[in-house]
Amino acid sequence: AQKVTQAQTEISVVEKEDVTLDCVYETRDTTYYLFWYKQPPSGELVFLIRRNSFDEQNEISGRYSWNFQKSTSSFNFTITASQVVDSAVYFCALRRDTGKLIFGQGTTLQVKP
Amino acid sequence: KAGVTQTPRYLIKTRGQQVTLSCSPISGHRSVSWYQQTPGQGLQFLFEYFSETQRNKGNFPGRFSGRQFSNSRSEMNVSTLELGDSALYLCASSSPDRPGTEAFFGQGTRLTVV
Repeated sequence: AQKVTQAQTEISVVEKEDVTLDCVYETRDTTYYLFWYKQPPSGELVFLIRRNSFDEQNEISGRYSWNFQKSTSSFNFTITASQVVDSAVYFCALRRDTGKLIFGQGTTLQVKP
Repeated sequence: KAGVTQTPRYLIKTRGQQVTLSCSPISGHRSVSWYQQTPGQGLQFLFEYFSETQRNKGNFPGRFSGRQFSNSRSEMNVSTLELGDSALYLCASSSPDRPGTEAFFGQGTRLTVV
């Protein structure tokens, strides 16, 4: 069975702090895809990044960076110098086939000014 | 390019009624998926349509159904509404049709069953 676990339910930081959101996944497939989405209060899920199982190259994009480690089945997401606008719920998701995304329970990030 | 559009944004229905939600995908996207989001169960996959055919289905009762039209627009229907069906229903579209393609979501329809 496939499963995604986001152990952190809520995180609160002060603006300009760095914050890392954890994601651990379970799958028996050798080919799979991982995603991070952000859900602001408006409700829409906003795509942030995807990684496939055969690409462990980590990436930095502006204030965002991702750490994908197959050995520990983890796909963590870091925001550097957090801002109030980063406040949202963040979801990690796993996909094997087309269509179905399996989501973690989400991490609510609150960035205080 | 317009994003995924879901209508209506809010709905209040009475237990036992039925409801139809609509989703217009991004132009050119042929894959449409539906998800239910509740505080208790989180985000759960309902079903996926591609070229008017249901390709995947989640673990929901038969009261939940959907369809896709030739222009890729999709509808989902919930019959005999129960209080537990109160949720945010999200629609997503994607292209090209590959597992690694990201899905783009609409703002959702918030359904309240009273």
